[in-house]
Amino acid sequence: DAKTTQPPSMDCAEGRAANLPCNHSTISGNEYVYWYRQIHSQGPQYIIHGLKNNETNEMASLIITEDRKSSTLILPHATLRDTAVYYCIAHRFYNQGGKLIFGQGTELSVKP
Amino acid sequence: EPEVTQTPSHQVTQMGQEVILHCVPISNHLYFYWYRQILGQKVEFLVSFYNNEISEKSEIFDDQFSVERPDGSNFTLKIRSTKLEDSAMYFCASSEVGDEQFFGPGTRLTVL
Repeated sequence: DAKTTQPPSMDCAEGRAANLPCNHSTISGNEYVYWYRQIHSQGPQYIIHGLKNNETNEMASLIITEDRKSSTLILPHATLRDTAVYYCIAHRFYNQGGKLIFGQGTELSVKP
Repeated sequence: EPEVTQTPSHQVTQMGQEVILHCVPISNHLYFYWYRQILGQKVEFLVSFYNNEISEKSEIFDDQFSVERPDGSNFTLKIRSTKLEDSAMYFCASSEVGDEQFFGPGTRLTVL
């Protein structure tokens, strides 16, 4: 799976959009971009994933650049409960499952 | 909403003892995983399990580790002879078709 690069930390004001960037310049054509988050040593939580098109679900939006070398996770109205470490993972879907390779992620602090 | 459960939440053991960590994956899921996270470090993949056999394992998953699905609902991780460096949070995860993985809350293992 391709390596991803994320800023180590970010701050966001409560109620504002949090935009978390990720670089994955060596991503291959069959690798998806996955986002997970981990709230204070709890189990990682799946947020969203995409291949080429932008994706939106009830938690977040994922914007992937046309060349697929980078992406941005958007939390539209961040709350204090969104304070967590966010992981961007380039992951190829395997028929027999596949390991997720976690980096250090971005520690997002949402402040009142 | 279905979720992955893990027991116990905290296990304390003496070095050299055997421990078994228990997980109940989401009921219709077919792929099962164990990860661990040493305090302050990244989440690391240990093993994936599909169709009643290991599909992939990491270098960490040596002969001291084993996994089992003893019945239709449980998925266990056994460490035969624990070492101090096995102290970590252990997360179980499951997925339906090998895509997004759903993680349990973790078992904190402390080896004394």
